[in-house]
Amino acid sequence: EVQLVESGGGLVQPGASLKLSCVASGFTFSDYWMSWVRQTPGKTMEWIGDIKYDGSYTNYAPSLKNRFTISRDNAKSTLYLQMSNVRSEDTATYYCTREELAPYFDYWGQGVMVTVSS
Amino acid sequence: NIVLTQSPATLSVTPGESVSLSCRASQSISTSIHWYQQKSNESPRLLIKYASQSISGIPSRFSGSGSGTDFTLSINRVESEDFSIYYCQQSYSSPYTFGAGTKLELK
Repeated sequence: EVQLVESGGGLVQPGASLKLSCVASGFTFSDYWMSWVRQTPGKTMEWIGDIKYDGSYTNYAPSLKNRFTISRDNAKSTLYLQMSNVRSEDTATYYCTREELAPYFDYWGQGVMVTVSS
Repeated sequence: NIVLTQSPATLSVTPGESVSLSCRASQSISTSIHWYQQKSNESPRLLIKYASQSISGIPSRFSGSGSGTDFTLSINRVESEDFSIYYCQQSYSSPYTFGAGTKLELK
C-alpha cells in the first residue's frame, strides 16, 4: 500500500524558515517524480513544484521558486520542502504527492498544516 | 499560466440525480486535464486522468469527457458518499494549475 506521511508543520513567524518532510512507503520511491501541492484555508489548490526521481532536476511555480526548495533522499525514501522567508499567505495545508507521467497526482499524503503568524 | 474555470461553484442535488461539472481552460490543452475528489477533512483523490481515462478503484458512475478547452466530469446517479469538492488540474504546461473547485452538496 502506497503511503506518504508528511511532518514538520506548525506555527511559524513571518520571515522564518521551515522544512517539511514526507516519508514514502509501499513503492519504489527512486522510480518516481514527486511534487508538493498546497491548499489554502479557502480551499485554493496550488502546485508548488516537483523533483525528478533521481533528484537531478527540479521545477517550481514561478511565484515560489525564490523561497521554496524541493529535495529528496532516495536512501531514506524521503521528500523535503525547505520554506524560507515565509509570509502569512504561505499559511496552508501542504501535501506530498506522487506524480505519474503527465503529471497528475495519483497518491497524496494526509497533509501537514503550516500557519504563519506572529 | 493556464487558468482553469470551474462551474458552478456549488451544485445542490438530491441522491439519485445525475450531474455534470464543468472545467474550462484559458487556452487549448488537448486532453491534459485530470479530476480529483476531496471529501471533507480528507486528502484529494484522483478520479479521472487525461480527461476521460478511468482510474482503478473509482466507481464507474464517474466519467469524464472533453478536449481542447472544455471538459466535463459526470456523475451518474449521485450517491451520498459523493458529496465533496471536485477539482480539475491541467498538466499541459508548467506551472500545473488547478481550478477553484465545484462543491457538490446535498439539496
